[in-house]
Amino acid sequence: ETGVTQSPTHLIKTRGQQVTLRCSSQSGHNTVSWYQQALGQGPQFIFQYYREEENGRGNFPPRFSGLQFPNYSSELNVNALELDDSALYLCASSQKWTGNEKLFFGSGTQLSVL
Amino acid sequence: AQKVTQAQTEISVVEKEDVTLDCVYETRDTTYYLFWYKQPPSGELVFLIRRNSFDEQNEISGRYSWNFQKSTSSFNFTITASQVVDSAVYFCALSEAGSNYKLTFGKGTLLTVNP
Repeated sequence: ETGVTQSPTHLIKTRGQQVTLRCSSQSGHNTVSWYQQALGQGPQFIFQYYREEENGRGNFPPRFSGLQFPNYSSELNVNALELDDSALYLCASSQKWTGNEKLFFGSGTQLSVL
Repeated sequence: AQKVTQAQTEISVVEKEDVTLDCVYETRDTTYYLFWYKQPPSGELVFLIRRNSFDEQNEISGRYSWNFQKSTSSFNFTITASQVVDSAVYFCALSEAGSNYKLTFGKGTLLTVNP
């Protein structure tokens, strides 16, 4: 079975720009979650998608948005980038999330905002 | 509000030593789930163990074991006979019904196992 893959691995943007990060779920998984991990911190939940619908959101502003496609791959879009958006962005897939499932993570996209 | 505290920022041990990673959680829910994940330098988090709030039985899985105590809200994780490959950041995480099972992570403990 294929694992979770994310692209790109690294990205450098300037303040005010927009960015799109991509994630391919593990085969057979219909739920995708996105996390932001600042340096030296634990991952923070951004939002989750289940069968193309948003299924929960953390404390992130609306300029963080997402999509899930029919093949269950996903995108994270961030508008009007700020310096504090610099972080590792992790995507995780699972079966339908009921709180107890094992998450399978990708290796992340390291975003630097200058 | 749910919260996960990992008081140990960094731990350094010598290979073959046993090491325990501490985790204390806060929740108002009676139904919740606890997890441990490992993050090697490559970046992806790897699932290790999970426990639900109704099962306090402690178990051993290979070199891993965990001690879940609801009375002290702790979910500690032990690696027996540590190996260099165990070097990573370890995260404790909590999901609870009241937060729609949003997964909340602690800040992590950096474990370094020296040869």
